[in-house]
Amino acid sequence: QSALTQPASVSGSPGQSITISCTGASSDVGAYKYVSWYQQHPGKVPKLMIYDVSNRPSGISDRFSGSKSGNTASLTISGLQAEDEADYYCCSYTGSSTWVFGGGTKLTVL
Amino acid sequence: EVQLVESGGGLVQPGGSLRLSCAASEFTFSIYWMHWVRQAPGKGLVWVSRINVDGSFTNYADSVRGRFTISRDNAKNTLYLQMNSLRAEDTAVYYCVGSGYYFDYWGQGTVVTVPS
Repeated sequence: QSALTQPASVSGSPGQSITISCTGASSDVGAYKYVSWYQQHPGKVPKLMIYDVSNRPSGISDRFSGSKSGNTASLTISGLQAEDEADYYCCSYTGSSTWVFGGGTKLTVL
Repeated sequence: EVQLVESGGGLVQPGGSLRLSCAASEFTFSIYWMHWVRQAPGKGLVWVSRINVDGSFTNYADSVRGRFTISRDNAKNTLYLQMNSLRAEDTAVYYCVGSGYYFDYWGQGTVVTVPS
């Protein structure tokens, strides 16, 4: 149950787009559609942003999108806004009813 | 509005035990898988355990298997986590989370501290 690999930090200017990668293995990210992404502001509870690789829950801006290729999933945020500055975590189902998170990525809006 | 309220956290000595509870309201508790997810101070999220809708199947992360036990009481809309043989590395905020293959509904968390 090794953590998925995410970059420690990414940054972008308002209005720009950024992509956060999440690399796993053929036994987790590569095997299942059950990849999800979470946003966490400091001191706050995590919030579901993307589920099943590319689906947005109701109320989540369409500036957030998800995709997957092989063992790597990605979260793209377009039209960056100051409020997007937060930590982002990916998560994948690993089979046998277990899950694994990525180490988290700190997004800084310059 | 869905409410998941955790309780039972606190300071416990290494080797000790704690029982966390998570009370659900405005939430059809009995139809959801429930999970515990933890976050050590300044660290990332870590999945801990899952229980299916009727409590007949449970799953654990390797780091807690054999020490932690997840259970639920659908009549009381409550999720539990019995934590035994606690270690310093179990220090974290423990979140109760509801949904299925992804984590949709989160509680506010309860803090467990095990000094080294």
